[in-house]
Amino acid sequence: AQSVTQPDIHITVSEGASLELRCNYSYGATPYLFWYVQSPGQGLQLLLKYFSGDTLVQGIKGFEAEFKRSQSSFNLRKPSVHWSDAAEYFCALQKYGNKLVFGAGTILRVKS
Amino acid sequence: GAGVSQSPSNKVTEKGKDVELRCDPISGHTALYWYRQSLGQGLEFLIYFQGNSAPDKSGLPSDRFSAERTGGSVSTLTIQRTQQEDSAVYLCASSFAGDYGYTFGSGTRLTVV
Repeated sequence: AQSVTQPDIHITVSEGASLELRCNYSYGATPYLFWYVQSPGQGLQLLLKYFSGDTLVQGIKGFEAEFKRSQSSFNLRKPSVHWSDAAEYFCALQKYGNKLVFGAGTILRVKS
Repeated sequence: GAGVSQSPSNKVTEKGKDVELRCDPISGHTALYWYRQSLGQGLEFLIYFQGNSAPDKSGLPSDRFSAERTGGSVSTLTIQRTQQEDSAVYLCASSFAGDYGYTFGSGTRLTVV
């Protein structure tokens, strides 16, 4: 069965520090993978997506993610976190029929 | 419109009442999705419309839930005889046919008291 696991429920980083949010997936074929961000009271905003090709994907707001097939991972990174990055982050996998399967989310807190 | 619009943004209803949630997708987007976000359950797929095809209703949790999409544009999610466990944020999203990754609306927060 297709699934997405985000092992960290909460992560706290200091402003200016680097960030890595983990995502592991289970899927029988080449996955389509996404990262979304949700600020309080808002909908989900697409940060980046991976379909094929270059395994390092650049997104908006300075985020990037690396697809590693051998580890079934699609971790999100940012070299220097800003206080405005505090939000909840969701990794997702696109299944057949265009349904997105989401991970449980990781809440990012940024310390000043 | 410029984005996916959902209304109302908040809805409080009494247990047992029916509610209707509206979604206005991005103009030209033929695919429309409803998801539910609740504590402890995360983001759950509810229903998917694609053009004139029969909708994929496989995520609807019970027969109290139904959705329709009129004229290939606006969609309404209806919950009959609401229960407290229906309290959640209901998110709508849309995309072009065959595209991957959706644009989400801001959601409707439903509270059943």
